[in-house]
Amino acid sequence: DTGVSQNPRHKITKRGQNVTFRCDPISEHNRLYWYRQTLGQGPEFLTYFQNEAQLEKSRLLSDRFSAERPKGSFSTLEIQRTEQGDSAMYLCASSPSPAWGNYGYTFGSGTRLTVV
Amino acid sequence: GNSVTQMEGPVTLSEEAFLTINCTYTATGYPSLFWYVQYPGEGLQLLLKATKADDKGSNKGFEATYRKETTSFHLEKGSVQVSDSAVYFCALSVLGGFQKLVFGTGTRLLVSP
Repeated sequence: DTGVSQNPRHKITKRGQNVTFRCDPISEHNRLYWYRQTLGQGPEFLTYFQNEAQLEKSRLLSDRFSAERPKGSFSTLEIQRTEQGDSAMYLCASSPSPAWGNYGYTFGSGTRLTVV
Repeated sequence: GNSVTQMEGPVTLSEEAFLTINCTYTATGYPSLFWYVQYPGEGLQLLLKATKADDKGSNKGFEATYRKETTSFHLEKGSVQVSDSAVYFCALSVLGGFQKLVFGTGTRLLVSP
């Protein structure tokens, strides 16, 4: 398994444009998460999927943001009408459902978005 | 609520020096604790974890002990290398639910030869 894969690695877009990012989790992981990391800060939770169901969304996820995970495999995160404040690293992570205890996730390398 | 507080960086050390990065937490439930490391231009990698009080997580010479009485999970390494230069994040998740991770703001470590 090659881990969690995110594409593209970098995206520069003009303000007002729409962008879409893709995440391919570890194949046997049924949980998938999106986080956002701004410069000098720790990652902040955006949303969570268990299989294809989106079960939790942060208040950070405005109505310009939408995430999907069709068929419980890869996931996409779309930002409509981008704003300069959307510039950040978008991180995807996956984990198995634990039979016990708590696990750390496996993170992808992230997609760095720059809105100009 | 749940939160993590880390010491501010950067932490600047010479190679082979002893490292401590402080981390304290508040949690409404019974948390598991993690340290993640982020190298320049990369995503986060799990460095170590501890799931219950007095557990010691260790990996690559790094250690951290889950101290419930002081709500702390300080990261230590006896002898740092230049290759350890990175940003270190302390994080927690509360047992149950969907394991949302709550991160500290990160501490940058710079190790010089």
